[in-house]
Amino acid sequence: ETGVTQTPRHLVMGMTNKKSLKCEQHLGHNAMYWYKQSAKKPLELMFVYSLEERVENNSVPSRFSPECPNSSHLFLHLHTLQPEDSALYLCASSQDWLQKQYFGPGTRLTVL
Amino acid sequence: DAKTTQPTSMDCAEGRAANLPCNHSTISGNEYVYWYRQIHSQGPQYIIHGLKNNETNEMASLIITEDRKSSTLILPHATLRDTAVYYCIVRGETSGSRLTFGEGTQLTVNP
Repeated sequence: ETGVTQTPRHLVMGMTNKKSLKCEQHLGHNAMYWYKQSAKKPLELMFVYSLEERVENNSVPSRFSPECPNSSHLFLHLHTLQPEDSALYLCASSQDWLQKQYFGPGTRLTVL
Repeated sequence: DAKTTQPTSMDCAEGRAANLPCNHSTISGNEYVYWYRQIHSQGPQYIIHGLKNNETNEMASLIITEDRKSSTLILPHATLRDTAVYYCIVRGETSGSRLTFGEGTQLTVNP
């Protein structure tokens, strides 16, 4: 138990669906992150939020839309995804964006 | 951030020490060495980090060579639950420095 929770743990969606992934941290941290881990590939950083402001966006397609309404919550809104977007999506948080990161268990996403 | 090189896989007997090496020959003076691990289908877990001195915590020890070009993560008494992919990451403590995960080392602890 790392203090970072993610819901849902598993998600299957069609290419025309709209869904959202949720991350919540109970650690009082100020920075939150979204990572993508495709099969047999290293983790890829997608977005970084520090004090609720997006500070990094690594050329992620617009079909992924992050939202950080407060320092404890982070969402990843998904729409018109492709089958190659199937992956494990991991959320992490840290005290600030230079400190060690605590990861959630991930959401296993399958796009049909 | 400096690039790291790790062996693809290693085996260790349960109860023995596991020594995981990492080369980071291009590390610069203000860059830290971080170690994380990822047990299958779980999120990565922070283990330890250091700058130039050796570090120890309840999980592991980190030995950094004097020239800082390589380091070794030591799990003193490996258990089956230590089977995971171990990532060595070099990261600068400057604004915008990201945590970049490579391929890591698959450590398998055998009974």
